[in-house]
Amino acid sequence: DAGITQSPRHKVTETGTPVTLRCHQTENHRYMYWYRQDPGHGLRLIHYSYGVKDTDKGEVSDGYSVSRSKTEDFLLTLESATSSQTSVYFCAISESRRDRDETQYFGPGTRLLVL
Amino acid sequence: KNQVEQSPQSLIILEGKNCTLQCNYTVSPFSNLRWYKQDTGRGPVSLTIMTFSENTKSNGRYTATLDADTKQSSLHITASQLSDSASYICVVSALANTDKLIFGTGTRLQVFP
Repeated sequence: DAGITQSPRHKVTETGTPVTLRCHQTENHRYMYWYRQDPGHGLRLIHYSYGVKDTDKGEVSDGYSVSRSKTEDFLLTLESATSSQTSVYFCAISESRRDRDETQYFGPGTRLLVL
Repeated sequence: KNQVEQSPQSLIILEGKNCTLQCNYTVSPFSNLRWYKQDTGRGPVSLTIMTFSENTKSNGRYTATLDADTKQSSLHITASQLSDSASYICVVSALANTDKLIFGTGTRLQVFP
């Protein structure tokens, strides 16, 4: 998984509780991304980062926030989890912007269940 | 609307057989097209990336083709193995000022002995 770890790998939580997912990379790549994957949908971008403290919204950012205080760490926070946020969350990294002709590497994923 | 459609949704083949997966897209203007393999419970792994000027790219037993005129791509798997059982995802990049990738929903391939 190209030097990318995600924690936790599995999480069960209750509606209304805050949840933070962590992505850690050892590749020193500039760009980091958070996606969610749901049945019947392609991977959808939540937020991404193009450097320390530089982040931007993706296509499904409502209800999520992110932070990047170090090159290697990118945190995804669900301020108040809802059942619609039950999903598998993937972190990804790339050296340049993801739509360029370079590979994007994905982490192993975090399975989140919101009851 | 930028879209990526893959077919079939699922496919079952016997070990040793060949198969071809299809990807049609309406993304414009086009920058590049990627194929990813995603094993169950794991993140996607890149197989190939093709730009507008490339019409074939191979990675071992995987060969991707691209017809930018008809906006179609295919992924051909030769002499399938049990380890090829996975989802295969087609992803298209739009040439734009903003970071933009459009993901297909994938083809689920099962290889049986």
